[in-house]
Amino acid sequence: QKEVEQNSGPLSVPEGAIASLNCTYSDRGSQSFFWYRQYSGKSPELIMSIYSNGDKEDGRFTAQLNKASQYVSLLIRDSQPSDSATYLCAVWSRWGNTGKLIFGQGTTLQVKP
Amino acid sequence: GAVVSQHPSRVICKSGTSVKIECRSLDFQATTMFWYRQFPKQSLMLMATSNEGSKATYEQGVEKDKFLINHASLTLSTLTVTSAHPEDSSFYICSSNSPGVAGGLSTDTQYFGPGTRLTVL
Repeated sequence: QKEVEQNSGPLSVPEGAIASLNCTYSDRGSQSFFWYRQYSGKSPELIMSIYSNGDKEDGRFTAQLNKASQYVSLLIRDSQPSDSATYLCAVWSRWGNTGKLIFGQGTTLQVKP
Repeated sequence: GAVVSQHPSRVICKSGTSVKIECRSLDFQATTMFWYRQFPKQSLMLMATSNEGSKATYEQGVEKDKFLINHASLTLSTLTVTSAHPEDSSFYICSSNSPGVAGGLSTDTQYFGPGTRLTVL
């Protein structure tokens, strides 16, 4: 069973702080990794994709990938109350001749003013 | 990013009726679309992979005769929940890969539709 694990939280940080969200995955052959943000009652929205080891920065967001440790993280700098949402880690896994996204259970982030 | 639309956004129906949900790719051709279901406080669970011009591939535990998927064109996939029951009440979301790697199955980003909230009374 290919799995993606996240701490469900809630993770609570004060406004302006750095929020750190973590994710581990079991499929060592995975090559594509994604972070989605989901507000309550809405569908997921892509924040970041990462394919290579190391860091990838986009504005206030930094994704980090360590394939050896099978670990993906998302850092949110200068957290804002509008960042309060559930963050889903997703890993693309091959299944025979096809593939699919495997989602973690999501981490709820609360940014307090 | 690529735009995926869904219709309707919300539907309430009586137990035993069938409900059809449409998923459209608005600015690209999607040979593959994915259907997910999400129950409250839970993550997305893949139901099936919809392939244009061929039969859908269903995940283990998903009844293909209950959840009918049709992908007749490169821009439209439909999910029909047949003989719906209250336990089918959920948030149904479709997605599609944006155009990417030529040949083989792209691992490019999946973009999600806005979702359909189904309530079965």
